[in-house]
Amino acid sequence: GENVEQHPSTLSVQEGDSAVIKCTYSDSASNYFPWYKQELGKGPQLIIDIRSNVGEKKDQRIAVTLNKTAKHFSLHITETQPEDSAVYFCAASSGTGGFKTIFGAGTRLFVKA
Amino acid sequence: GAGVSQTPSNKVTEKGKYVELRCDPISGHTALYWYRQSLGQGPEFLIYFQGTGAADDSGLPNDRFFAVRPEGSVSTLKIQRTERGDSAVYLCASSLRFERGNEQFFGPGTRLTVL
Repeated sequence: GENVEQHPSTLSVQEGDSAVIKCTYSDSASNYFPWYKQELGKGPQLIIDIRSNVGEKKDQRIAVTLNKTAKHFSLHITETQPEDSAVYFCAASSGTGGFKTIFGAGTRLFVKA
Repeated sequence: GAGVSQTPSNKVTEKGKYVELRCDPISGHTALYWYRQSLGQGPEFLIYFQGTGAADDSGLPNDRFFAVRPEGSVSTLKIQRTERGDSAVYLCASSLRFERGNEQFFGPGTRLTVL
């Protein structure tokens, strides 16, 4: 079945440094890749997304890259701040038979002040 | 405006009991999704609705789980004969339209504990 793998599971960075989270997906028909941020006790919130016809997208300090050939996509956060500390999930929208969204297992990001 | 709301926020029940979890989507959103999130894991797809009909229920783990959305707005996830393994946070999300790439807005979830 469809699968999304995400790593690292935990990432600790110093404030101001960059953070990179990487994901791979299995369903070659997937063509929509959202990233979510989840804070304690809350539901996930979309922070950025990318479609398969684009290789890179940037929104202020956040950027996402996609390599469809390798089935890899990555989240880059620059100039990290303590408020970036949260769990981040990558996801892929399954292209087979519907619009199921398959999530990775998450990366817990700690930004140390 | 109001976001997605879910009630109750916490539910503790005993093994074998029946539970209902409610989701109120954002007004006007036609698509509604249910996910289950276990500790330390990402949300796991259960079912989604386009309007009143279940477009894909392939994520429901077994026939103890059922969901309805009779008027195309509020949805209820129903779990019969609960088991300890059903303990998780159940998340609901809605999106404006039923199409890939339409942003899903999540509620805060219902934490279900089966003793």
